[in-house]
Amino acid sequence: DVKVTQSSRYLVKRTGEKVFLECVQDMDHENMFWYRQDPGLGLRLIYFSYDVKMKEKGDIPEGYSVSREKKERFSLILESASTNQTSMYLCASSDRAFGNTIYFGEGSWLTVV
Amino acid sequence: KNQVEQSPQSLIILEGKNCTLQCNYTVSPFSNLRWYKQDTGRGPVSLTIMTFSENTKSNGRYTATLDADTKQSSLHITASQLSDSASYICVVSANYGGSQGNLIFGKGTKLSVKP
Repeated sequence: DVKVTQSSRYLVKRTGEKVFLECVQDMDHENMFWYRQDPGLGLRLIYFSYDVKMKEKGDIPEGYSVSREKKERFSLILESASTNQTSMYLCASSDRAFGNTIYFGEGSWLTVV
Repeated sequence: KNQVEQSPQSLIILEGKNCTLQCNYTVSPFSNLRWYKQDTGRGPVSLTIMTFSENTKSNGRYTATLDADTKQSSLHITASQLSDSASYICVVSANYGGSQGNLIFGKGTKLSVKP
């Protein structure tokens, strides 16, 4: 069974803290994504990676960075968390064939206080 | 501007009834359209994927249709069950040469199935 695992389901962090959200997939997929989901706004792409060490900015990259040192792992980093980054974060992966299924993790609920 | 609009925003139906969710898009060049189901507090799960040449695709009690001429898709749920209560998200891919970063998400329809 395909699996995208996000390391933390619920986090509470303080303003200014550095936050790491980790995502691991076991399907040998080339593509990995980070989205955030807010009520009324739907899913918005933060960053995506199409290969190890490769990344592209999505629609809302400001305040975020990513790291992909290994094919199976894609990390989202909030350098200095702010309250407007309180959200649900979803990691996803897919193989390189265009039009294929994208698999999502269960989500990480981040609250910044 | 590439956009995906879903209607209704929310819907309440009785268990056993059928329902249809709508998705209109203005995405060009169009590549494919996906429907996802998202249970509350969980990640989205794929239901169907359709390219422009496909006009219907089924997954159990879920049937998606696509009219590429009018740029409309619908998701029909037959004989609804309580477990169908979820948000349903329409996602359209723009074909920009293979990048998977060109997905345009609708805001979803929240379906509640009542006993």
